[in-house]
This record gives sequence, structure tokens and C-alpha cells, in this order.
Amino acid sequence: KAGVTQTPRYLIKTRGQQVTLSCSPISGHRSVSWYQQTPGQGLQFLFEYFSETQRNKGNFPGRFSGRQFSNSRSEMNVSTLELGDSALYLCASRRQGSYGYTFGSGTRLTVV
Amino acid sequence: SQQGEEDPQALSIQEGENATMNCSYKTSINNLQWYRQNSGRGLVHLILIRSNEREKHSGRLRVTLDTSKKSSSLLITASRAADTASYFCATEIRSGGSNYKLTFGKGTLLTVNP
Repeated sequence: KAGVTQTPRYLIKTRGQQVTLSCSPISGHRSVSWYQQTPGQGLQFLFEYFSETQRNKGNFPGRFSGRQFSNSRSEMNVSTLELGDSALYLCASRRQGSYGYTFGSGTRLTVV
Repeated sequence: SQQGEEDPQALSIQEGENATMNCSYKTSINNLQWYRQNSGRGLVHLILIRSNEREKHSGRLRVTLDTSKKSSSLLITASRAADTASYFCATEIRSGGSNYKLTFGKGTLLTVNP
């Protein structure tokens, strides 16, 4: 079966711009989580969506937002980009219950 | 803030040797998971151990969990050059109601030399 698909793979944006990243989970997975990975802070939880509802949110400013559609695909948006937003953004999906998460390959965002 | 902390931060061994990585965490968990990441790519789920389990095996992997010490270890036996990667422990904790959150440590960089 197809894995978790994240698009685009690479992105370069200018400070002040906004960006939208997309994640398509594995078919049948209704939970989608987003993480930011940087060398300094490691993997930081952004938010989790389940059945179009945000179920959990990490400690990120309101510039970071997301949503989930009825087909479980999810998008995250970052507005007013800052240099510190440069990171690898990872999306993960999983089945309901105590199972491991399946991660996408990530979107590498560079803010210049 | 990080829930899990891996030790050591970096580990270099020869092919064929065993590699042991440790993880400590702070709060009660639902389960603990180990992931591998190759050079800035996505994470690959390796193994999950529930809070009521003490040991679990999967191929060359052995995971232990000691909830009294809030610690876990990952053992990779007979390591191969292809095992070179960063390894992360992640704890799933209750974040309210029936919701859970997965929190990662900073990882152990394992280098297996041929």
C-alpha cells in the first residue's frame, strides 16, 4: 500500500511569506500528526488531527496552523515566515489504537 | 520540552558488534516507541512496547522497558553498515481525555563501520 506522501519535498521561501504543506496519509488512517525537526530543537510536535478535528497542539505560535479534510488529507500553514522556521517538517499517520506511526519523507523548508 | 532523552548522543561500532542505546523519560507513558532516521529523511517505526510490557523482540532488535526507572533500552545485535542512522525513542503520553501525544528525544547517532 502507498505510504504517507508529503508535498512538496523542498521549498524555499522569503521571510514574511506564507507557506502551505500537504500530507496524504495511508488509506484508512484517520490520525495525522505534524512535527518540526531542527538540529537545535530536535523533533517538536506541532499538532494532531483526527476526523477533521484538531486533537492536540504543541507549543508553537499561532502562525502555525493546520487542517484536515474529510478524506484525511492534511495541510499545515505557516504565515509570516521567519528564518527560524527553516526546518524539516514531517507528517505521520496511524491507525486508531496503540500502533506505531508511519512517517512521510518530509518537506524541507528553507526561509531566506 | 523533551520527554525522552537518549544516551549516548553518538555511538560508533564495528560491523558485527552489538549496539545499545538508552532512553529515559519523565512522566507516565502509554507506550514507548523506537524510530530510525536515515540522514534527514522520514522516520521509520521500529518497535513499540506497551507500558505493561517489559521486553520485546523484533528480528535483531530487543527493547526493554523499566517503568519504575522510567527508562528503556534498544539493543541491535550483529550490527551492519546499513544500520547507520539516528535512533529516536518516543513516548506516547496522555494529553487529555482519550487523546495521546507522541514526544521524541533528541536521538542517538549510530555509526557502524564496515
